[in-house]
Amino acid sequence: DTAVSQTPKYLVTQMGNDKSIKCEQNLGHDTMYWYKQDSKKFLKIMFSYNNKELIINETVPNRFSPKSPDKAHLNLHINSLELGDSAVYFCASSQGDISEQFFGPGTRLTVL
Amino acid sequence: KQEVTQIPAALSVPEGENLVLNCSFTDSAIYNLQWFRQDPGKGLTSLLLIQSSQREQTSGRLNASLDKSSGRSTLYIAASQPGDSATYLCAVRTGANSKLTFGKGITLSVRP
Repeated sequence: DTAVSQTPKYLVTQMGNDKSIKCEQNLGHDTMYWYKQDSKKFLKIMFSYNNKELIINETVPNRFSPKSPDKAHLNLHINSLELGDSAVYFCASSQGDISEQFFGPGTRLTVL
Repeated sequence: KQEVTQIPAALSVPEGENLVLNCSFTDSAIYNLQWFRQDPGKGLTSLLLIQSSQREQTSGRLNASLDKSSGRSTLYIAASQPGDSATYLCAVRTGANSKLTFGKGITLSVRP
């Protein structure tokens, strides 16, 4: 199926650990994004990559580091996890940065 | 700074009713506006994308309108069904290379 996929779907970990979330899209898009949806369901962008280059970097702690090995992948690595990092993280993609965005199913991160 | 508001936060209607979901934004200089649907525990599904030069877009029972000058968009759902129950989010893009700014969503419940 053509889609945006994320792994893992659920991630439970202890404070202080380092974890990664992977995202892949097979839609042939050149732009990918990471969003965070907090406990109040508010969705905010974290990063945007176009052709593997960083386009948008919102005010996100530098413990969060996106990595784009190729146009189809945008992974999110988080160092020294904190309780406040608990949220659902969504990956998305689009063709160019002004067209319709397609979202992955989300990764629910719980930091204990 | 762009702000997107969706009121009310929740709505419950009987099956078969036609309904309108509202979205307002503070900066009318938008590039486009996108409506999404989010089911519980799932990712976002794109419903409609309206470019700034367009007044409306239609897809099946859904019709989205855009009035840039007044900073408003509406999502019209005809003949609502229980399967339409979900959270509907509005998001605007203010210029190329810029982020999508989301509203907090309207949680719709359609009663059989």
